[in-house]
Amino acid sequence: QVQLEESGPGLLKPSQTLSLTCTVSGDSINSGSYHWTWIRRPAGKGLEWIGRVFSNGITNYNPSLESRVTLSVDTSRNQFSLKLTSVSAEDTAVYYCAREGCSGTTCFDSWGRGTLVTVSS
Amino acid sequence: SYVLTQPPSVSVAPGQTARITCGGNNIGRKSVHWYQLKSGQAPVMVMYYDSDRPSGIPERFSGSNSGHTATLTITRVAAGDEADYYCHVWDDNGDQVFGGGTKLTVL
Repeated sequence: QVQLEESGPGLLKPSQTLSLTCTVSGDSINSGSYHWTWIRRPAGKGLEWIGRVFSNGITNYNPSLESRVTLSVDTSRNQFSLKLTSVSAEDTAVYYCAREGCSGTTCFDSWGRGTLVTVSS
Repeated sequence: SYVLTQPPSVSVAPGQTARITCGGNNIGRKSVHWYQLKSGQAPVMVMYYDSDRPSGIPERFSGSNSGHTATLTITRVAAGDEADYYCHVWDDNGDQVFGGGTKLTVL
């Protein structure tokens, strides 16, 4: 059974760059069967899709974040990563990594527990 | 952009039936997926393709989707079902759209 685990700093100052990594076990990112996704949930708000990356490095981003987001994949470590530049308090959220499943559409069939990132001066 | 509307909260007594709705323009033409979020735990997909139940999800969970409303139904609600539930669709523009979430409270 696939498992995902997020890791990275939990506290950032405004204008810094958020960097998170998702380590996948029980499945190979290199299998080419799935997209790998980041989703966040700001405090008191709903879920927001950030973007996704395929094993070959092809990415898709939420247009509202596209100018600040970069996703990448490291198949040798079975990891994928998120970088979000110029963070502000509005980027404070629980960040989740997830696997996309479902042919013909998109669903998120496996998730990590999430990691809280706080942006504060 | 496509909008999904959920009630902020639903409350039911133990053993009763909870119905969580997700409204969207002609949502019946899209595939709807549902997720259960509990604090400190990995979110769980509880329904996909409108009414398919993933392995390990109790039969008490069911889904439907028609017209402008999709519904997640939980029968014989138990305290362990208390969570936030989100609906999700993949929009024609390629956007991933989530509803605002519904907090299910078991009284």
